[in-house]
Amino acid sequence: DAKTTQPNSMESNEEEPVHLPCNHSTISGTDYIHWYRQLPSQGPEYVIHGLTSNVNNRMASLAIAEDRKSSTLILHRATLRDAAVYYCIPNSGNTPLVFGKGTRLSVIA
Amino acid sequence: EPEVTQTPSHQVTQMGQEVILRCVPISNHLYFYWYRQILGQKVEFLVSFYNNEISEKSEIFDDQFSVERPDGSNFTLKIRSTKLEDSAMYFCASMGPRTKPYNEQFFGPGTRLTVL
Repeated sequence: DAKTTQPNSMESNEEEPVHLPCNHSTISGTDYIHWYRQLPSQGPEYVIHGLTSNVNNRMASLAIAEDRKSSTLILHRATLRDAAVYYCIPNSGNTPLVFGKGTRLSVIA
Repeated sequence: EPEVTQTPSHQVTQMGQEVILRCVPISNHLYFYWYRQILGQKVEFLVSFYNNEISEKSEIFDDQFSVERPDGSNFTLKIRSTKLEDSAMYFCASMGPRTKPYNEQFFGPGTRLTVL
């Protein structure tokens, strides 16, 4: 499994954009880059995934470096409900997810 | 929106007792997983299940653990003789049929298991 490096914690003001970085320099060519998040006292929740191109969905955007060794999850306007631990997980899509420690995002009103 | 459900939400048991944790995956999903999260630690994979058999398991999933899909809707995790270190949050997840290039895993809310 590819090793990932994420900041332990980040803080954002409400309504501000948040950029959550992840380094995954050992990612294999067939791995997708997945992002999941875990709200307090809940199970993990899928956020977004990508392979090579940048991706947008209703929750977030994912910017993937050209060499695929890093990516950034972008929350365009953080809300209090976005306070969670965010996990970056390289994965082929056919194997179990391997969770790291993730980034704990705090959102300040 | 369809969701994965788990029961009970909290289970307290004595060391050495058997427990069964129950999950109802999303109805058309074919791939099923159990993960656990010890308080303050990472989410860890236990086992994956497809086509009525285990497809992959981790080192944590030893002989004390078993999984079953008894009736086509429930997916259960049994711990035969619980230990103190089995205390954790247990999450069930399911994933749809591979009719598209990518499928995400949908997680349930978890069962908190406390072993005394």
